[in-house]
Amino acid sequence: DADVTQTPRNRITKTGKRIMLECSQTKGHDRMYWYRQDPGLGLRLIYYSFDVKDINKGEISDGYSVSRQAQAKFSLSLESAIPNQTALYFCATSPENTGELFFGEGSRLTVL
Amino acid sequence: QKEVEQNSGPLSVPEGAIASLNCTYSDRGSQSFFWYRQYSGKSPELIMFIYSNGDKEDGRFTAQLNKASQYVSLLIRDSQPSDSATYLCAVNNQAGTALIFGKGTTLSVSS
Repeated sequence: DADVTQTPRNRITKTGKRIMLECSQTKGHDRMYWYRQDPGLGLRLIYYSFDVKDINKGEISDGYSVSRQAQAKFSLSLESAIPNQTALYFCATSPENTGELFFGEGSRLTVL
Repeated sequence: QKEVEQNSGPLSVPEGAIASLNCTYSDRGSQSFFWYRQYSGKSPELIMFIYSNGDKEDGRFTAQLNKASQYVSLLIRDSQPSDSATYLCAVNNQAGTALIFGKGTTLSVSS
């Protein structure tokens, strides 16, 4: 089983729908991240969390929200999806102060 | 806006050649530098990190850092077709709280 698991792996939805992407990890890391990857734009940070009570915005947080339900679980929500949120979303974890990210397999979201 | 710049490529090299991938960054306060490899349809994986000026070697891979020039590079010696992937340069922000990624350079190694 993967150490960082993302669900769903693929999702097609319509404009205006609420979507939740879930991430769970068995690596025991406190730090968790959500990144978005678009062709030609690389990986961009949406939100990150260092523990259950710590949530921080990244460079592109508008239109997204997150919830850290437990040390091992970090969810990303799109309250009202729009087509330009079509992208590949990665969850990642990190041990403290190393900078090494361990990525999930990605969730491909298409908003029609 | 802190930035990490990479040539998007594609960079094409023949099998056995040296591939040179380059990256510049704007935040002089950055202290940690990383190279991730991403195969098509897969998630990124860490292949090298470097914290100090100079060279760091790991097998066929060498990372080079010049903080004065704000420049990081990755050399891949004896390139193999299996090295064909997108290589992402990442830099820790000054607070050390998150990685900022470049857009990636696509490397193609022909046999």
